[in-house]
Amino acid sequence: QVQLVQSGAEVKKPGASVKVSCKASGYTFTSYTLHWVRQAPGQRLEWMGWINSADGNTKYSQKFQGRVAFTRDTSASTAYMELSSLRSEDTAVYYCASRAFYFDYWGQGTLVTVSS
Amino acid sequence: EIVMTQSPATLSVSPGERATLSCRASQSVGSDLAWYQQKPGQAPRLLIYSASSRATGVPARFSGSGSGTEFTLTISSLQSEDFAVYYCQQYNNWPPLTFGGGTKVEIK
Repeated sequence: QVQLVQSGAEVKKPGASVKVSCKASGYTFTSYTLHWVRQAPGQRLEWMGWINSADGNTKYSQKFQGRVAFTRDTSASTAYMELSSLRSEDTAVYYCASRAFYFDYWGQGTLVTVSS
Repeated sequence: EIVMTQSPATLSVSPGERATLSCRASQSVGSDLAWYQQKPGQAPRLLIYSASSRATGVPARFSGSGSGTEFTLTISSLQSEDFAVYYCQQYNNWPPLTFGGGTKVEIK
């Protein structure tokens, strides 16, 4: 069955960067685009952008442009989200999700806490 | 950016009763609308896509309707496992993909 397994929780200081991984299994990794969605405590889901798993092309939400980068390693069936210049408002659960522009498959979420 | 607005914010329903959740888009999204269920500590689960198509494994008591700017998710007879937060999402006009603020369905 399709699984997206994310890396573990992170605690970072303001100004630092965080890199979250999302390992896919149960399907051909390059078949589906992969999106990143975050959810701050008590807030709505917020789309951050997506990566084309086949060719690595990316599209970022304007809100995160310049501060976020998506990459992938096809040999490891893994996608990565790196967010820099962290601030307290970036404290959230970060999800990877697939398969189209609505999301059948979700990772379990990675809690990123930004605190001094 | 298309803004998605859900109502009500909280819906109190007794088990076995019908629940009707609304989602409004700030401009037409055609039928490019999905619904998700989220329980505490869990990732969202896709229920409905294309406004009215049930995702794989979703019980028939969940149904979606609407097009353009007005959408409805109906749960015909609430079961204990249905108490959760429900989100709508548009994928017609992006970036960005946008979600509603959610409706919490709680036990009355």
